[in-house]
Amino acid sequence: DAGVIQSPRHEVTEMGQEVTLRCKPISGHNSLFWYRQTMMRGLELLIYFNNNVPIDDSGMPEDRFSAKMPNASFSTLKIQPSEPRDSAVYFCASRPEGSEAFFGQGTRLTVV
Amino acid sequence: AQSVTQLGSHVSVSEGALVLLRCNYSSSVPPYLFWYVQYPNQGLQLLLKYTSAATLVKGINGFEAEFKKSETSFHLTKPSAHMSDAAEYFCAVRANNAGNMLTFGGGTRLMVKP
Repeated sequence: DAGVIQSPRHEVTEMGQEVTLRCKPISGHNSLFWYRQTMMRGLELLIYFNNNVPIDDSGMPEDRFSAKMPNASFSTLKIQPSEPRDSAVYFCASRPEGSEAFFGQGTRLTVV
Repeated sequence: AQSVTQLGSHVSVSEGALVLLRCNYSSSVPPYLFWYVQYPNQGLQLLLKYTSAATLVKGINGFEAEFKKSETSFHLTKPSAHMSDAAEYFCAVRANNAGNMLTFGGGTRLMVKP
């Protein structure tokens, strides 16, 4: 298996633009997580899905952030409109029932 | 509720010296505990995990960690540091009551001097 696949690896966008981050979890994993990593706040859980259903989105910073999981093999994290303070590395992770999480390589987002 | 505290955001050791990265946790139910390593520009990789079996857990790359309930600790050690161990290390906790949420500590950056 290729592991958790995230795209793009790097994204530079202007403030106010819409940004969409994509994630393909490992096949057969029933849980999917979106994390944000910054120097100031470390790793923060934004939202997680179980069997494609959002379970806890209390970590989503504000209404500008939204996440979807239309099927078991794809998830998106959207920021609209983006702001400079959204600059961070965004990680997607997936895990099968009863096992540990596997992380993607992350998307480095820079909002200028 | 659960939380993780990693003492020391930066640790520096000489090559060949003992590595000790500290992790203390708080959990209202028996926890599962994890150590992840992050190399520059990479995602997190699992080093080892404790899931209520043996209290001394051996992981990859010569690392091990010991679960001490009385001290609520899960410190990571390696007898002899190698230059390739330089990375950021994250301790994480997950409640073992079938919850999915993994809570991470703030991370410790390990530097290895030649």
